[in-house]
Amino acid sequence: DARVTQTPRDKVTEMGQEVTMRCQPILGHNTVFWYRQTMMQGLELLAYFRNRAPLDDSGMPKDRFSAEMPDATLATLKIQPSEPRDSAVYFCASGFGTGAETQYFGPGTRLLVL
Amino acid sequence: AQSVTQPDIHITVSEGASLELRCNYSYGATPYLFWYVQSPGQGLQLLLKYFSGDTLVQGIKGFEAEFKRSQSSFNLRKPSVHWSDAAEYFCAVGNRGSNYKLTFGKGTLLTVNP
Repeated sequence: DARVTQTPRDKVTEMGQEVTMRCQPILGHNTVFWYRQTMMQGLELLAYFRNRAPLDDSGMPKDRFSAEMPDATLATLKIQPSEPRDSAVYFCASGFGTGAETQYFGPGTRLLVL
Repeated sequence: AQSVTQPDIHITVSEGASLELRCNYSYGATPYLFWYVQSPGQGLQLLLKYFSGDTLVQGIKGFEAEFKRSQSSFNLRKPSVHWSDAAEYFCAVGNRGSNYKLTFGKGTLLTVNP
């Protein structure tokens, strides 16, 4: 049963610290999405990649957030420096296709910035 | 720009009763429409999707949805709800013009009474 994995599952950090979240997409999938979920804003798309190339990161605060795919089996989302307003659940999803494909979500990383 | 409205924040039904969750979208051309379900502490799981063709779409777990272009709606239905259906349900819209980027609604929380 192939699944998207995310690490860590929970992260508590202090304001100003760097946070790195990792995602392993389902083997063979060529698209990766990063979402942020909060009570106030709901589910927001931060960035997404196809064939490891960034297609859209318009939803991501550029001054502190960065997303990369060092290889096809790993996607990373970094926040530096972190702020309390970054507290949220961050989801990674992967899919296969050239558009409108089904997205398979990971379990999420729950981030709390104190 | 595309958008999704889920008018009901919270719905409570009795086990065995029928269910309809509302979703209205805003997009000029034919959209791609999805329903996802999220159980507490979990990622999102696809229930069903509509791309084209038959406007009545069958999904997993006994769910179905009907695309009504005239009403810009894609409501989710189930004839008989089970206690395990308690979860949060998200409608999402995508389109080729936005590079298939999905926009999610704010979600409808479903409570099932015994």
